[in-house]
Amino acid sequence: RKEVEQDPGPFNVPEGATVAFNCTYSNSASQSFFWYRQDCRKEPKLLMSVYSSGNEDGRFTAQLNRASQYISLLIRDSKLSDSATYLCVVNESTGKLIFGQGTTLQVKP
Amino acid sequence: DTGVSQDPRHKITKRGQNVTFRCDPISEHNRLYWYRQTLGQGPEFLTYFQNEAQLEKSRLLSDRFSAERPKGSFSTLEIQRTEQGDSAMYLCASSAIWGGTPNEQFFGPGTRLTVL
Repeated sequence: RKEVEQDPGPFNVPEGATVAFNCTYSNSASQSFFWYRQDCRKEPKLLMSVYSSGNEDGRFTAQLNRASQYISLLIRDSKLSDSATYLCVVNESTGKLIFGQGTTLQVKP
Repeated sequence: DTGVSQDPRHKITKRGQNVTFRCDPISEHNRLYWYRQTLGQGPEFLTYFQNEAQLEKSRLLSDRFSAERPKGSFSTLEIQRTEQGDSAMYLCASSAIWGGTPNEQFFGPGTRLTVL
């Protein structure tokens, strides 16, 4: 079983749609959680951290459920520029990042 | 540009050759990480340094792979006797550590290796 599991997609949605991504992680001792964005043939970049209380950054909302070991990302009012791969990431106590496979989003006009 | 830099950006080599990649982290970041990413997958952790000390190595890092960070600044990753399965993007990241807690990792643009 992979340490971090995501549905690879692709998710094809029209502009303005709301789309949700989920992931699960296996190590209950994991310390912190993130969503990274990766554009084609580019390096990953931090999109947002994820907290149990839920956190929002503009059109993006992230949520962590420690009991279920489940992480989510909601994107509202999708833009063409949101097209990318979204990586669910778990940070272990040593600082190393464990990445999911990534979920590909394609927003169409 | 004060971000993480990697050199070369692309490397094409023949099977059996040795290759070396360099990473220059953000100045004063004491943590440096190496990851490998193959097509359609997320990055996989290879190894990390705190200053010049290599603190952890993944089981993915076979004995053909070696990494160094001799002065606690730049790092090199060498692959000996390359195999076609080594073809991947090799990503370097750096972070600061404050109060014992690692902070955000910033990634370099990666070195794309193709082994023919």
